[in-house]
Parts: sequence; structure tokens; C-alpha cells
Amino acid sequence: DGGITQSPKYLFRKEGQNVTLSCEQNLNHDAMYWYRQDPGQGLRLIYYSQIVNDFQKGDIAEGYSVSREKKESFPLTVTSAQKNPTAFYLCASSKLAGVGNEQFFGPGTRLTVL
Amino acid sequence: DAKTTQPPSMDCAEGRAANLPCNHSTISGNEYVYWYRQIHSQGPQYIIHGLKNNETNEMASLIITEDRKSSTLILPHATLRDTAVYYCIVKGGTASKLTFGTGTRLQVTL
Repeated sequence: DGGITQSPKYLFRKEGQNVTLSCEQNLNHDAMYWYRQDPGQGLRLIYYSQIVNDFQKGDIAEGYSVSREKKESFPLTVTSAQKNPTAFYLCASSKLAGVGNEQFFGPGTRLTVL
Repeated sequence: DAKTTQPPSMDCAEGRAANLPCNHSTISGNEYVYWYRQIHSQGPQYIIHGLKNNETNEMASLIITEDRKSSTLILPHATLRDTAVYYCIVKGGTASKLTFGTGTRLQVTL
């Protein structure tokens, strides 16, 4: 089945530790995205990538880093510099960035920092 | 990207049509209207999108007014599984991000 996978579903970390969230897609999509969702709120864009080895900051990139070494993979690292990392993290992909191409989302990773 | 306004919540009886409104009065000519929904603790699910004409797919219909300042998502026969938060999003130009508001919480009841 084609789709987007995120792992793990739940993740617990101690304060001050970096943590990397996985996102893989087998849809042959060019663009990939990371969003953050806080309780009762909409999604906010962290980073996106339109092509391998290139990515751009979204609205709330501070304290996060990404890489795009392969078309299928777009891992997100939540660093210790992120002041409030506990949130629901969602990865998405689309055929091409821009108008008219819908984004498909993975199931999400719920990160809790203790 | 244009901002959207949606009612915070709506109820619908199972089997009836659910009509979810969205205002986007500042939409510009090259911006599309997208609808997504999010069932609790899951990733958002794409429903439908359109530019000017009404659109229909296996999930829903999208009615866009002639002046494009508002739209309505129609779920023709709502079921309990349609209970979710529905987001209306306007996106266009070279923007890559989807700007999510707080959406409409649709509760489908027996």
C-alpha cells in the first residue's frame, strides 16, 4: 500500500535531549512537510522540502532541524533548543509544492518531553 | 494566503446531509479552496479542493459561490464516522504551506 509512515506513534524524552522523528513516503512525491499541532489548535508548518538536499523554514522552525538525503525520507530532529517540544507532530507529502496539489498526511507522532 | 472563517462547531443527525460553511472574503484569483478533516489523534485527511467550479468526489461536494468569497462542504449522508474537525483552507500562488485555523468540529449523532 502506498502511504506515509511515521514512527514511533508515541515518544517520551527527557528534557535537554535531542530526538529524531521519522517520516517515510512511498508515493513518489517530490515535496515533504513537517507540521506541529498543539491541543485544540490547527497545524503550524515547521519545515518543508521540495527536492532532495533542499529545504526551507516554515513558520516555527526555531529549535528544529531537518535533512532530505533521499526523496522518500524527511526526518525531523527536535533539539534541546526547542523551548516547548511536547506536541503532536505530523508529516505530509505532495506531488509538487504549489497550487492545486493536495498534501497527504501521516498518522503523526505524539512527543512528550518529561 | 487568504484567511478563512468557520463556525466552531456543528451538529448533524446521522443519515442527513452535513453542510459546513466557510467564508474566505479576501481570496484572490489564483487561490484554491481546500477541505481537510481530522479525526481525533489522527493525521488530517484530504477531502476535496476547487478553484471556481463546484466539485464532487466520492467523499463530498464542494460548492463555491460565484464571487468565490465563500464555500460550503457537503457530506451528503453523514455517518458517525464523519465526526471530526473540518478545516477549510485557502492556498495559492507559490505558497507551499497549508494554513490551518481551528476548523469546525462536526458532531454526528444518532
